[in-house]
Amino acid sequence: QLQLQESGPGLVKPSETLSLTCTVSGGSISSSSYYWGWIRQPPGKGLEWIGSIHYSGNTYHNPSLKSRVTISVDTSKNQFSLKLSSVTASDTAVYYCARRNSGKPYPFDYWGQGTLVTVSS
Amino acid sequence: QSALTQPPSASGSPGQSVTISCTGTSSDVGGYNYVSWYQQHPGKAPKLMIYEVNQRPSGVPDRFSGSKSGNTASLTVSGLQADDEADYYCSSYAGSNNLRVFGGGTKLTVL
Repeated sequence: QLQLQESGPGLVKPSETLSLTCTVSGGSISSSSYYWGWIRQPPGKGLEWIGSIHYSGNTYHNPSLKSRVTISVDTSKNQFSLKLSSVTASDTAVYYCARRNSGKPYPFDYWGQGTLVTVSS
Repeated sequence: QSALTQPPSASGSPGQSVTISCTGTSSDVGGYNYVSWYQQHPGKAPKLMIYEVNQRPSGVPDRFSGSKSGNTASLTVSGLQADDEADYYCSSYAGSNNLRVFGGGTKLTVL
């Protein structure tokens, strides 16, 4: 059974860089059949797609965040990561990692449990 | 402000049917048959309920159905059950850069 688990600091200071890692178990991140993505949800609000990456390194980002977002993959550790720079309070959210099939624009079908990141001094 | 517009709330009694709408534009919902719906219970991750407008993943009851007309997609939940009470989010492919957009969510209450 595929499982995804987010990890990283729960508190980040304003203007610093938020860094999260998603560890994939029960499946290989190196499969050409999948994209791996990040989605966030501010407290009490809706979902926002951040970006997606293929193990080959092909990435897509939400244009509203693109200049601040870096998504990378580490196939040796079966992990992929998110870095969001110059954070502000509006970046406070539950961050989810998720998987979707590649090829067609499939939706995300497997999700991690999410991790709350608070931006505060 | 979310890219797709959903009503903030919907409700129905057990056994009844309820429909939740999701309005976008010709650049997302209206332009592609890649609308999906997620169910989210409090404190839990979203669960995929519908993809490609009207397809159900394995294990999702056929009480859940989806449709689309123009720039508006809809999720219908028939035979409402207590466990259907949750937040529901629509999502659509939006073209260039493999963009995904979401609705603001609809809180479904089973009366």
